Amino acid sequence: NAGVTQTPKFQVLKTGQSMTLQCAQDMNHNSMYWYRQDPGMGLRLIYYSASEGTTDKGEVPNGYNVSRLNKREFSLRLESAAPSQTSVYFCASSSYRAPNYGYTFGSGTRLTVV
Amino acid sequence: AQSVTQPDIHITVSEGASLELRCNYSYGATPYLFWYVQSPGQGLQLLLKYFSGDTLVQGIKGFEAEFKRSQSSFNLRKPSVHWSDAAEYFCAVGAGYGNKLVFGAGTILRVKS
Repeated sequence: NAGVTQTPKFQVLKTGQSMTLQCAQDMNHNSMYWYRQDPGMGLRLIYYSASEGTTDKGEVPNGYNVSRLNKREFSLRLESAAPSQTSVYFCASSSYRAPNYGYTFGSGTRLTVV
Repeated sequence: AQSVTQPDIHITVSEGASLELRCNYSYGATPYLFWYVQSPGQGLQLLLKYFSGDTLVQGIKGFEAEFKRSQSSFNLRKPSVHWSDAAEYFCAVGAGYGNKLVFGAGTILRVKS
């Protein structure tokens, strides 16, 4: 099925370890986004890529980096994981313009940092 | 900067009763408005969206929402709730460069039989 694919679905890291979360979409969307979800806080934007070749910081970028590898793929990297980064991470993509504008979300990555 | 407030953290309704989930937004221009639903352990699914035009929008699963500019609100409604509607609901506003979505904190809906 067409959509947004995230890998891995679950991950446990030790403090200080690094990892990359992968995201790919096959809907030919221009824009892609990474959010984290924490209880009672909704979803908060980490980084986004409005179009291929551009990336920008969101609300909570500290401790993360991103790469827009091509139009389909947008990865999120934790260089030195901290327990505060324990969260559920969602990737999303969107067509840029109404009326097609609207996010399609991946199924999420549940990350635990111990 | 835009923001979204969902005043109710938890709501419990009886099966078959009507439902209204509140959402207030802050944004200087005409916003793009969305409602998403998330079942436990799942991703987010789009229920409905508003861009312009008719202020009453219909979505999937029998949901509708009404945009009221004067009240900066976009409340979600359903005439008769089913047990399968139990989930967390998020209101979001989109605007600005990159059309980033800003989400509310969510409202958890419980349905009692």
